[in-house]
Amino acid sequence: GDSVTQMEGPVTLSEEAFLTINCTYTATGYPSLFWYVQYPGEGLQLLLKATKADDKGSNKGFEATYRKETTSFHLEKGSVQVSDSAVYFCALSKTNRDDKIIFGKGTRLHILP
Amino acid sequence: EPEVTQTPSHQVTQMGQEVILRCVPISNHLYFYWYRQILGQKVEFLVSFYNNEISEKSEIFDDQFSVERPDGSNFTLKIRSTKLEDSAMYFCASKSTGNTDTQYFGPGTRLTVL
Repeated sequence: GDSVTQMEGPVTLSEEAFLTINCTYTATGYPSLFWYVQYPGEGLQLLLKATKADDKGSNKGFEATYRKETTSFHLEKGSVQVSDSAVYFCALSKTNRDDKIIFGKGTRLHILP
Repeated sequence: EPEVTQTPSHQVTQMGQEVILRCVPISNHLYFYWYRQILGQKVEFLVSFYNNEISEKSEIFDDQFSVERPDGSNFTLKIRSTKLEDSAMYFCASKSTGNTDTQYFGPGTRLTVL
């Protein structure tokens, strides 16, 4: 079945460091890909998405590019802030009857001041 | 901006009791979902609902679970006889049409079964 694999955490970085969180997927068809973020004590927020190959999603300085050839959707940010500390989930879904979101296990990110 | 709301934010119950978790999806949305997240684990799909019937359910969603849209605004998840392993954060989500891919999540209800 469809699945998402993302790098294990926690990831600890200093403020202003470059961030990469790796994500790869397995899916039939042409899924949409997402990154969700969960801040401490809060629910899931959509951070960015991409709906087809070579699309780049971006939001709040975060970017991810839909790479069909490598089945990847890595999350990057050039300069992280303490406020970026959260759990990040890579996910996929399809726009048909099988539209449930399949999440990766999540990567906890700690940013040190 | 419209948002999905959930009540209560935290529910504590005794094992074997029935609980109802409530969600108010975004008003013009037609597709509804429940997910759960056991502490420290990944978010898992439970059930999807459209046109007053279940579209898909996971193996987690056994006979102890049911969903209902009792009126034009609420979407509920009922657990008939709670078990310790039902302790989790339960998220409701909704989306507008079948052709869109973005589901909007509520803040979650933390269920603690003692």
